[in-house]
Amino acid sequence: GAGVSQSPRYKVAKRGQDVALRCDPISGHVSLFWYQQALGQGPEFLTYFQNEAQLDKSGLPSDRFFAERPEGSVSTLKIQRTQQEDSAVYLCASSWTSGHGNNEQFFGPGTRLTVL
Amino acid sequence: AQSVTQLDSHVSVSEGTPVLLRCNYSSSYSPSLFWYVQHPNKGLQLLLKYTSAATLVKGINGFEAEFKKSETSFHLTKPSAHMSDAAEYFCVVSETYKYIFGTGTRLKVLA
Repeated sequence: GAGVSQSPRYKVAKRGQDVALRCDPISGHVSLFWYQQALGQGPEFLTYFQNEAQLDKSGLPSDRFFAERPEGSVSTLKIQRTQQEDSAVYLCASSWTSGHGNNEQFFGPGTRLTVL
Repeated sequence: AQSVTQLDSHVSVSEGTPVLLRCNYSSSYSPSLFWYVQHPNKGLQLLLKYTSAATLVKGINGFEAEFKKSETSFHLTKPSAHMSDAAEYFCVVSETYKYIFGTGTRLKVLA
């Protein structure tokens, strides 16, 4: 069966450009998460959706970062006016039910963003 | 606040010898704990999870971990390393919906 997919897999942007990263979760998964993984680090939480509702965006580093999931399925993470410090792998994950600690999150392969 | 410390950033073992990857956690509640593996250019894959049932948790590919509340530890072990085990391993703690990751341990398996 299909897992979590993300596109593009690689993105190179010039500083100041806007980028949009897409996540297709596993069909039927209620919860969707975005994480940022800097080089040599563990992933760090960015934001959490339950269906179309964004319940937690406390991890978004600045107001240049925006995420949406308008129909409760596909999600897009948008970064405006990219900066070099935005270079990282952006991971999307989904899980079956509403967020509880013991629910397994299924991860996509990530989008590697490089800002020149 | 919850946090995770992976005590070794790199571990090297010979093929066929035991693997030990160490993880200590901090949590105000009874957390869920996970180990994930990340192969190059692949997504994170769940190895095993602890959710307050049995303290010894068995996972995929022969891995297991033991939850020790008194030591706040959740170390990952495998009796015999295989070349295909070479990867990055992450310990994760979760009290609610949010995963808190450790900084990872890179496992190298020598032939």
